[in-house]
Amino acid sequence: DVKVTQSSRYLVKRTGEKVFLECVQDMDHENMFWYRQDPGLGLRLIYFSYDVKMKEKGDIPEGYSVSREKKERFSLILESASTNQTSMYLCASSFEGTQHFGDGTRLSIL
Amino acid sequence: GIQVEQSPPDLILQEGANSTLRCNFSDSVNNLQWFHQNPWGQLINLFYIPSGTKQNGRLSATTVATERYSLLYISSSQTTDSGVYFCAGGSQGNLIFGKGTKLSVKP
Repeated sequence: DVKVTQSSRYLVKRTGEKVFLECVQDMDHENMFWYRQDPGLGLRLIYFSYDVKMKEKGDIPEGYSVSREKKERFSLILESASTNQTSMYLCASSFEGTQHFGDGTRLSIL
Repeated sequence: GIQVEQSPPDLILQEGANSTLRCNFSDSVNNLQWFHQNPWGQLINLFYIPSGTKQNGRLSATTVATERYSLLYISSSQTTDSGVYFCAGGSQGNLIFGKGTKLSVKP
């Protein structure tokens, strides 16, 4: 079974902090994704990566950056956290199209 | 971009009942998937089904790519089927998600 692990289930940070969300997959998948999920808005793609050191913007990249230095790890960075980035963040990896998700990180920015 | 519409938005069933969830796409997709999000927030991939029909236990899915829709069938529903069902489609790995169908199965 594919295992996608997100570093924290719950996280509380303050406005202006630099926040790192980590995601690790154990299946050597080339493709990895970061989404956020908000009530009434569903899942929206922030960034994705097709290979090490490669990244592509999704639908809502503003205020975020990503890092993929190793194939198994995809990090989401909030450069200067703001309250409107309070959300559930979900990481996924995929092979031949099928996406597998981590358990999510519920992030609160105070 | 592609628009994904799911219906119905909410569904309440008695345990043992059958149901059909629908997903319509505004444009052709070559990647279509169904997911179940359980009450604890975990998203589980149910089907990768860009076309044709697949079955997995009590669940089955059919995608008619030429008419840009997909159906998810749940038979003999159980309380553990409760949660939100999402369909998502797009090209390659870049998926657009629908708003979901919230299913509640009552004992």
